[in-house]
Amino acid sequence: DGGITQSPKYLFRKEGQNVTLSCEQNLNHDAMYWYRQDPGQGLRLIYYSQIVNDFQKGDIAEGYSVSREKKESFPLTVTSAQKNPTAFYLCASSIVTGNNYGYTFGSGTRLTVV
Amino acid sequence: QQPVQSPQAVILREGEDAVINCSSSKALYSVHWYRQKHGEAPVFLMILLKGGEQKGHDKISASFNEKKQQSSLYLTASQLSYSGTYFCGTGRSNSGYALNFGKGTSLLVTP
Repeated sequence: DGGITQSPKYLFRKEGQNVTLSCEQNLNHDAMYWYRQDPGQGLRLIYYSQIVNDFQKGDIAEGYSVSREKKESFPLTVTSAQKNPTAFYLCASSIVTGNNYGYTFGSGTRLTVV
Repeated sequence: QQPVQSPQAVILREGEDAVINCSSSKALYSVHWYRQKHGEAPVFLMILLKGGEQKGHDKISASFNEKKQQSSLYLTASQLSYSGTYFCGTGRSNSGYALNFGKGTSLLVTP
Protein backbone atom coordinates (compact mmCIF):
# COMPACT_ATOMS: atom_id res chain seq x y z
CA ASP A 1 0.00 0.00 0.00
CA GLY A 2 1.14 3.52 -0.75
CA GLY A 3 1.80 5.98 1.99
CA ILE A 4 4.25 8.23 3.80
CA THR A 5 6.75 6.92 6.29
CA GLN A 6 8.30 9.16 8.89
CA SER A 7 11.13 8.04 11.10
CA PRO A 8 11.97 7.91 13.86
CA LYS A 9 8.69 8.13 15.76
CA TYR A 10 10.43 9.62 18.79
CA LEU A 11 13.68 11.56 18.78
CA PHE A 12 15.68 13.12 21.57
CA ARG A 13 18.15 15.89 20.88
CA LYS A 14 20.77 17.39 23.08
CA GLU A 15 21.38 21.10 23.12
CA GLY A 16 23.59 22.16 20.21
CA GLN A 17 22.98 19.06 18.12
CA ASN A 18 21.62 18.87 14.60
CA VAL A 19 19.12 16.10 13.96
CA THR A 20 17.51 14.88 10.75
CA LEU A 21 13.93 13.66 10.45
CA SER A 22 13.22 11.27 7.62
CA CYS A 23 10.18 11.41 5.32
CA GLU A 24 9.68 8.95 2.46
CA GLN A 25 6.60 8.52 0.24
CA ASN A 26 5.69 5.97 -2.41
CA LEU A 27 2.56 7.72 -3.63
CA ASN A 28 4.30 9.27 -6.64
CA HIS A 29 3.32 12.70 -5.33
CA ASP A 30 5.27 15.67 -6.64
CA ALA A 31 4.78 17.94 -3.65
CA MET A 32 5.98 17.36 -0.10
CA TYR A 33 5.61 19.49 3.00
CA TRP A 34 6.89 19.79 6.54
CA TYR A 35 4.68 21.13 9.31
CA ARG A 36 5.34 21.68 12.97
CA GLN A 37 2.53 21.09 15.47
CA ASP A 38 2.56 22.60 18.94
CA PRO A 39 -0.31 22.31 21.43
CA GLY A 40 -2.99 24.85 20.63
CA GLN A 41 -1.09 26.22 17.63
CA GLY A 42 -2.34 24.09 14.79
CA LEU A 43 0.04 23.16 12.00
CA ARG A 44 2.63 25.68 10.89
CA LEU A 45 4.46 25.35 7.59
CA ILE A 46 8.23 24.95 7.76
CA TYR A 47 9.25 24.11 4.18
CA TYR A 48 7.64 22.74 1.08
CA SER A 49 8.76 21.37 -2.25
CA GLN A 50 6.75 20.99 -5.43
CA ILE A 51 9.48 19.50 -7.57
CA VAL A 52 12.77 17.72 -7.14
CA ASN A 53 15.75 19.99 -6.38
CA ASP A 54 13.50 22.91 -5.50
CA PHE A 55 11.93 23.98 -2.22
CA GLN A 56 10.49 27.07 -0.58
CA LYS A 57 10.47 28.43 2.95
CA GLY A 58 7.28 28.41 4.89
CA ASP A 59 6.35 30.64 7.81
CA ILE A 60 8.79 29.23 10.38
CA ALA A 61 11.83 28.11 8.34
CA GLU A 62 14.46 29.66 10.61
CA GLY A 63 16.61 26.98 12.23
CA TYR A 64 15.53 24.28 9.77
CA SER A 65 16.91 23.00 6.47
CA VAL A 66 15.65 20.55 3.86
CA SER A 67 16.74 18.82 0.69
CA ARG A 68 14.80 17.25 -2.17
CA GLU A 69 17.23 15.14 -4.15
CA LYS A 70 14.68 12.44 -4.91
CA LYS A 71 10.96 12.63 -5.56
CA GLU A 72 10.29 10.12 -2.80
CA SER A 73 12.33 11.75 -0.05
CA PHE A 74 12.16 15.08 1.79
CA PRO A 75 14.32 15.02 4.94
CA LEU A 76 14.16 17.83 7.48
CA THR A 77 17.20 18.86 9.52
CA VAL A 78 16.61 20.66 12.78
CA THR A 79 19.73 22.68 13.41
CA SER A 80 21.17 24.03 16.62
CA ALA A 81 19.93 27.45 15.50
CA GLN A 82 16.36 26.37 16.21
CA LYS A 83 15.90 27.61 19.75
CA ASN A 84 12.76 25.74 20.66
CA PRO A 85 12.65 22.53 18.61
CA THR A 86 10.54 20.41 20.95
CA ALA A 87 7.40 19.69 18.92
CA PHE A 88 5.51 17.17 16.82
CA TYR A 89 6.67 17.23 13.20
CA LEU A 90 4.41 16.13 10.38
CA CYS A 91 5.39 15.43 6.80
CA ALA A 92 2.77 15.44 4.05
CA SER A 93 2.57 14.99 0.31
CA SER A 94 0.11 15.81 -2.46
CA ILE A 95 -0.35 15.90 -6.19
CA VAL A 96 0.20 19.19 -8.01
CA THR A 97 -2.20 18.75 -10.90
CA GLY A 98 -5.92 19.30 -10.87
CA ASN A 99 -7.93 20.44 -7.90
CA ASN A 100 -8.28 17.35 -5.72
CA TYR A 101 -4.98 17.69 -3.90
CA GLY A 102 -5.81 16.51 -0.43
CA TYR A 103 -2.73 15.93 1.69
CA THR A 104 -1.57 12.53 2.84
CA PHE A 105 0.25 12.86 6.16
CA GLY A 106 2.87 10.68 7.76
CA SER A 107 2.44 9.49 11.34
CA GLY A 108 4.81 12.15 12.66
CA THR A 109 8.02 12.44 14.64
CA ARG A 110 7.96 13.74 18.19
CA LEU A 111 11.18 15.62 18.89
CA THR A 112 12.24 16.43 22.43
CA VAL A 113 15.25 18.44 23.55
CA VAL A 114 16.95 16.96 26.58
CA GLN B 1 -2.12 34.16 7.22
CA GLN B 2 -3.55 31.50 9.54
CA PRO B 3 -7.32 30.97 9.13
CA VAL B 4 -9.43 31.38 12.26
CA GLN B 5 -11.51 28.46 13.46
CA SER B 6 -14.46 28.54 15.83
CA PRO B 7 -15.38 27.21 18.25
CA GLN B 8 -12.13 26.08 19.86
CA ALA B 9 -13.82 23.10 21.44
CA VAL B 10 -17.22 21.44 21.48
CA ILE B 11 -18.72 18.54 23.39
CA LEU B 12 -21.64 16.65 21.91
CA ARG B 13 -23.81 13.74 22.83
CA GLU B 14 -24.02 10.99 20.26
CA GLY B 15 -26.60 11.89 17.62
CA GLU B 16 -26.30 15.66 18.02
CA ASP B 17 -25.18 18.05 15.30
CA ALA B 18 -22.22 20.44 15.21
CA VAL B 19 -20.90 23.21 13.00
CA ILE B 20 -17.25 24.24 12.80
CA ASN B 21 -16.35 27.48 11.10
CA CYS B 22 -13.20 28.57 9.31
CA SER B 23 -12.64 32.14 8.19
CA SER B 24 -9.84 34.01 6.51
CA SER B 25 -8.89 37.66 6.17
CA LYS B 26 -7.49 36.96 2.70
CA ALA B 27 -9.23 35.79 -0.45
CA LEU B 28 -9.79 32.05 -0.45
CA TYR B 29 -9.19 29.83 -3.44
CA SER B 30 -9.65 26.51 -1.71
CA VAL B 31 -10.43 25.08 1.70
CA HIS B 32 -9.40 21.67 3.00
CA TRP B 33 -10.82 19.90 6.05
CA TYR B 34 -8.89 17.31 8.07
CA ARG B 35 -9.56 15.31 11.21
CA GLN B 36 -6.82 14.28 13.61
CA LYS B 37 -7.28 11.76 16.38
CA HIS B 38 -5.02 11.98 19.39
CA GLY B 39 -1.46 10.92 18.59
CA GLU B 40 -2.27 10.18 14.97
CA ALA B 41 -1.75 11.90 11.63
CA PRO B 42 -4.42 14.23 10.26
CA VAL B 43 -6.72 12.54 7.75
CA PHE B 44 -8.08 14.35 4.71
CA LEU B 45 -11.87 14.74 4.72
CA MET B 46 -12.66 16.96 1.76
CA ILE B 47 -11.61 19.92 -0.35
CA LEU B 48 -13.82 22.77 -1.47
CA LEU B 49 -13.00 25.15 -4.27
CA LYS B 50 -14.19 28.71 -4.78
CA GLY B 51 -17.71 28.85 -6.14
CA GLY B 52 -19.81 28.37 -3.01
CA GLU B 53 -20.12 24.63 -3.49
CA GLN B 54 -21.06 22.21 -0.80
CA LYS B 55 -19.66 18.74 -0.52
CA GLY B 56 -20.61 15.78 1.57
CA HIS B 57 -18.88 12.77 3.01
CA ASP B 58 -21.25 10.40 4.79
CA LYS B 59 -22.91 12.61 7.44
CA ILE B 60 -20.14 15.21 7.27
CA SER B 61 -20.56 18.02 4.78
CA ALA B 62 -19.04 21.43 4.21
CA SER B 63 -19.77 24.68 2.46
CA PHE B 64 -17.50 27.35 1.07
CA ASN B 65 -18.59 30.97 0.76
CA GLU B 66 -16.00 32.75 -1.32
CA LYS B 67 -17.49 36.22 -0.79
CA LYS B 68 -17.50 35.86 2.98
CA GLN B 69 -14.10 34.15 2.85
CA GLN B 70 -15.26 31.36 5.08
CA SER B 71 -16.10 27.70 5.16
CA SER B 72 -18.22 25.66 7.54
CA LEU B 73 -18.04 21.97 8.37
CA TYR B 74 -21.32 20.30 9.32
CA LEU B 75 -21.41 17.10 11.35
CA THR B 76 -24.89 15.64 11.58
CA ALA B 77 -26.08 12.84 13.83
CA SER B 78 -22.61 12.65 15.36
CA GLN B 79 -21.02 9.31 16.12
CA LEU B 80 -18.39 8.45 18.72
CA SER B 81 -15.89 8.03 15.88
CA TYR B 82 -16.24 11.71 15.00
CA SER B 83 -14.24 12.69 18.07
CA GLY B 84 -10.95 14.37 17.30
CA THR B 85 -9.50 17.70 16.31
CA TYR B 86 -10.69 19.24 13.07
CA PHE B 87 -8.45 21.52 11.06
CA CYS B 88 -9.22 23.68 8.10
CA GLY B 89 -6.46 24.46 5.64
CA THR B 90 -6.57 27.33 3.18
CA GLY B 91 -4.55 27.79 0.03
CA ARG B 92 -1.68 30.23 0.32
CA SER B 93 -2.14 31.46 -3.23
CA ASN B 94 -4.14 30.71 -6.32
CA SER B 95 -1.36 28.60 -7.83
CA GLY B 96 0.56 26.98 -5.02
CA TYR B 97 -0.39 23.86 -3.14
CA ALA B 98 0.91 24.74 0.30
CA LEU B 99 -1.73 25.31 2.97
CA ASN B 100 -2.16 27.50 6.02
CA PHE B 101 -3.93 25.60 8.80
CA GLY B 102 -6.13 26.91 11.55
CA LYS B 103 -5.47 26.13 15.20
CA GLY B 104 -8.06 23.39 15.19
CA THR B 105 -11.41 22.63 16.83
CA SER B 106 -11.49 19.85 19.40
CA LEU B 107 -14.66 17.77 19.13
CA LEU B 108 -15.67 15.21 21.74
CA VAL B 109 -18.69 13.01 21.20
CA THR B 110 -19.95 11.30 24.33
CA PRO B 111 -22.33 8.33 24.63
